[in-house]
Amino acid sequence: DIQMTQSPSSLSASVGDRVSITCRASESITTYLNWYQQIPGTAPKLLIYAASTLQSGVPSRFSGSGSGTDFTLTISSLQPEDFATYYCQQSYTTPYTFGGGTKVEIK
Amino acid sequence: QVHLQESGPGLVKPSQTLSLTCTVSGGSIRSGSYYWTWIRQPAGKGLEWIGHIYASGSTNYNPSLKGRVNMLVDTSNNQFSLKLSSVTAADTAVYYCVGGRVSWKDYFDSWGQGALVSVSS
Repeated sequence: DIQMTQSPSSLSASVGDRVSITCRASESITTYLNWYQQIPGTAPKLLIYAASTLQSGVPSRFSGSGSGTDFTLTISSLQPEDFATYYCQQSYTTPYTFGGGTKVEIK
Repeated sequence: QVHLQESGPGLVKPSQTLSLTCTVSGGSIRSGSYYWTWIRQPAGKGLEWIGHIYASGSTNYNPSLKGRVNMLVDTSNNQFSLKLSSVTAADTAVYYCVGGRVSWKDYFDSWGQGALVSVSS
């Protein structure tokens, strides 16, 4: 299985901060990488697919980059509704696998 | 995107079979745009892909579940289902049915609200 490792596992930030989350795959997945946001008590929501394509309706402050094994999710200016847990997921090969999550908390 | 809703018992006894159904609305389960997926999440933990099924009935399961998984599709009722046999407490989780977009790069864009299933005697 392809292992997905996210860092950090949690971070504290303030409204307006620029935040970056890293995801590393155990082998190359080219750009078969998706990002999800999960607010407690709700289902995950797709933010970005194919490493850098913004899902329809997702604010432009979210962006994704990377290819191969290293990927980054960036929130350019953190908003109150962005405090959540973020997951990366590879769709390169089955079994599809997720990172362990990064919890973004209010400083 | 389509709308998905899970249904099924919230409590299952150890060694028995967990059964969930997902009803798809806002689109046909026969749509070639999607494959139909189950993902689970134990409380406070991360996400695990269980497997998926196409409208044709073709399946792909996570080997980690060691042959305990069976998925079926019911095109006449626009539903698909999950059966997980020989359950233990480790199978306690929120189970999501998910629409996986068939694309040049697959992704999950339609999620049910989730169904909590507890395994306990």
